[in-house]
Amino acid sequence: GAGVSQSPSNKVTEKGKDVELRCDPISGHTALYWYRQSLGQGLEFLIYFQGNSAPDKSGLPSDRFSAERTGGSVSTLTIQRTQQEDSAVYLCASSLAGGRSRANNEQFFGPGTRLTVL
Amino acid sequence: AQKVTQAQTEISVVEKEDVTLDCVYETRDTTYYLFWYKQPPSGELVFLIRRNSFDEQNEISGRYSWNFQKSTSSFNFTITASQVVDSAVYFCALRPDIKAAGNKLTFGGGTRVLVKP
Repeated sequence: GAGVSQSPSNKVTEKGKDVELRCDPISGHTALYWYRQSLGQGLEFLIYFQGNSAPDKSGLPSDRFSAERTGGSVSTLTIQRTQQEDSAVYLCASSLAGGRSRANNEQFFGPGTRLTVL
Repeated sequence: AQKVTQAQTEISVVEKEDVTLDCVYETRDTTYYLFWYKQPPSGELVFLIRRNSFDEQNEISGRYSWNFQKSTSSFNFTITASQVVDSAVYFCALRPDIKAAGNKLTFGGGTRVLVKP
């Protein structure tokens, strides 16, 4: 079956512009996550959606970052007024379940979106 | 607070040699999950294995094996008879078994493995 897909694969933008990154999770997966991978910080958790529950935004680095998930499926990560330090690969993952689940909690990752802020 | 440390930044081996990747973690949770992911040059993170903290039995899956020792907070991963296709960055990750923590992973810094023919 289809895996997690992300678009665009690459995005180059100018400092100060807004960008939107899209994630399509695996069909049927109720949990969706965004991570960021950068040279200086490694792999960092950003935000987590589980069903209709309020998202866990504890990893968002600033209020310029926001994300939404429509209809429990597709998610969009928005970065406003981009800065050069936002340059990174943004990874999306999904899993069958979240929370306190001892089964089916493996996260499957998409190919990522490489964001370059000039 | 949770922390995952992969002390080895890069390992270079010749094909058919065994490779062991070290992972040490810190957590205050009594139950948790540990994972290994592989990131080949294509960039996509590939799930390899999961281990539950309440089950310390070590296993072998094909050329992969792991050694989980709760007493030393270590979760080492071995690739037996390495192949060139094993060249990738390998990440160790930790996830607490607490509902409030959701399912977010804390990753180590990664170990780059280079298998030379």
